[in-house]
Amino acid sequence: DAGVIQSPRHEVTEMGQEVTLRCKPISGHDYLFWYRQTMMRGLELLIYFNNNVPIDDSGMPEDRFSAKMPNASFSTLKIQPSEPRDSAVYFCASSLKGHWGYTFGSGTRLTVV
Amino acid sequence: GEDVEQSLFLSVREGDSSVINCTYTDSSSTYLYWYKQEPGAGLQLLTYIFSNMDMKQDQRLTVLLNKKDKHLSLRIADTQTGDSAIYFCAETSGYSTLTFGKGTMLLVSP
Repeated sequence: DAGVIQSPRHEVTEMGQEVTLRCKPISGHDYLFWYRQTMMRGLELLIYFNNNVPIDDSGMPEDRFSAKMPNASFSTLKIQPSEPRDSAVYFCASSLKGHWGYTFGSGTRLTVV
Repeated sequence: GEDVEQSLFLSVREGDSSVINCTYTDSSSTYLYWYKQEPGAGLQLLTYIFSNMDMKQDQRLTVLLNKKDKHLSLRIADTQTGDSAIYFCAETSGYSTLTFGKGTMLLVSP
């Protein structure tokens, strides 16, 4: 398996633009997680899905953030409109059964200028 | 909420042993993990331990768990420059998502 695949690896966008981050989890994993990593706050769980259904989105910072999982092999995290404070590395992770070791993607480094 | 604490930074010389410590507050923690993050990469699962174990050894890595004190440690024997990375401790009771610490940056100097 190629692991968790995220795209793009880097994204630079202007404030106010829409940003879409993509994730392909490991085949057969039934949980998918979106994390944000910054120096100040460390790793923050934004939202997670079980069997494509959002379970907990309490970590999503604002209504500007939304996430979808239309099928078992694809998820998106959208920020609209983006702001400079959204600049961070966004990770997607997947796991089997939710508590077993998560497998992380390589992340998307987002810079909003 | 539940919390996981780690020291932020550790510096060692190549060939020495490194010990990274972690404390957690959730008394129902059942699964405890150590992850490694190299620059520009995602977190990689290094090793794990179940709460009914005191110790687990895996090549150069030794995990010690003191459940009474809610203390977890990761010992890396014969530390190499390639071990320089950020190490995250994480825990879960099995009924919730993983709670991660803020990570310990390990710097190994030649």
